[in-house]
Amino acid sequence: DTEVTQTPKHLVMGMTNKKSLKCEQHMGHRAMYWYKQKAKKPPELMFVYSYEKLSINESVPSRFSPECPNSSLLNLHLHALQPEDSALYLCASSLDRETYNEQFFGPGTRLTVL
Amino acid sequence: GEDVEQSLFLSVREGDSSVINCTYTDSSSTYLYWYKQEPGAGLQLLTYIFSNMDMKQDQRLTVLLNKKDKHLSLRIADTQTGDSAIYFCAEKAWGNQFYFGTGTSLTVIP
Repeated sequence: DTEVTQTPKHLVMGMTNKKSLKCEQHMGHRAMYWYKQKAKKPPELMFVYSYEKLSINESVPSRFSPECPNSSLLNLHLHALQPEDSALYLCASSLDRETYNEQFFGPGTRLTVL
Repeated sequence: GEDVEQSLFLSVREGDSSVINCTYTDSSSTYLYWYKQEPGAGLQLLTYIFSNMDMKQDQRLTVLLNKKDKHLSLRIADTQTGDSAIYFCAEKAWGNQFYFGTGTSLTVIP
């Protein structure tokens, strides 16, 4: 299994809603990542988990809350988002952070905040 | 973050070669990558090159690295309509951080 899966594929939410994005991989990777991507722009790193511990938080607002319940799962909890948070949210994983290993990306969740 | 620049658009005829260019600023880059993103999809790794290599060939893809000029290119031979996508270069730099380029939108004209 060489896939990173993300659910849901699309999400529409209001500014007062609470929702979660989910990411799963079964490749035995120990590093997992959340990226935000606006249309026609490169992905911007949000969070990095290494061995289930948060190792990088790129100054992301607290309305985004990551969680890594185990080595295969990564969640992104959303609360009180703003319309400018609408974007494609990409999850990625790699064997670990310390070697060359490339990042494998999921298909993304397209989020629209009304 | 580091500056990784690409030209925004490239248009080629089917069957021709495409060359997508990328410049970066961090001389401590260890690995450089090319990713392809089709509309509405995630990023697909195409190929990568270690910073002590000058060239890597993988079927229709040729990667050239000029470390002195911090210039990376991706050549796609015999470009097909299915190659139309956005191409991102990325570098793995100090602290094992990934930095993506600005992306090049490739359009293949039948």
